[in-house]
Amino acid sequence: NAGVTQTPKFRVLKTGQSMTLLCAQDMNHEYMYWYRQDPGMGLRLIHYSVGEGTTAKGEVPDGYNVSRLKKQNFLLGLESAAPSQTSVYFCASSDRVLYGYTFGSGTRLTVV
Amino acid sequence: RKEVEQDPGPFNVPEGATVAFNCTYSNSASQSFFWYRQDCRKEPKLLMSVYSSGNEDGRFTAQLNRASQYISLLIRDSKLSDSATYLCVVNGKAGGTSYGKLTFGQGTILTVHP
Repeated sequence: NAGVTQTPKFRVLKTGQSMTLLCAQDMNHEYMYWYRQDPGMGLRLIHYSVGEGTTAKGEVPDGYNVSRLKKQNFLLGLESAAPSQTSVYFCASSDRVLYGYTFGSGTRLTVV
Repeated sequence: RKEVEQDPGPFNVPEGATVAFNCTYSNSASQSFFWYRQDCRKEPKLLMSVYSSGNEDGRFTAQLNRASQYISLLIRDSKLSDSATYLCVVNGKAGGTSYGKLTFGQGTILTVHP
């Protein structure tokens, strides 16, 4: 049982380049989330989804887009990367939020 | 005021010590509460949920005080392997706009030394 899988694990981008981060879960969870984690800032919610075909903005959505075309996948896109988007990105999923989240192992992104 | 506030530490304690972490939250409508553990360069992992009656899991005890909007985590007989960052996490009330979105504190760093 893989749980939540994020790809890629590491990436270096040049300013202005685009990329997509993939999150896949095999637990049939309804809810999925994208967070970024920066030193001194903690985990901040970027976007989330409460079911297939739905997405919503979180705390820091600017510069990112998301899609949830299939229940098991949640994609995070950066259309034009900026150095301020250098961060560690975590995907998470949950079935019933009262039980907490399961996190993926993270993507370390550096924008130069 | 931050939604979830923790003392960032770091806490440096010897093996065998008892250490307590505190956390306050601002949304009185918050419904569920958790402690997560995060090891260096790893993802957060659920340590335990926090119930109104308080709950214990081995050496770990969590307490919730809704009136004071305060959560605590007590670790007894600290082990070297307990060294990590401990995150206080709060979920909004069902039906509210914050429901389903966990809010994380910045974390408290614990180092247990021999």
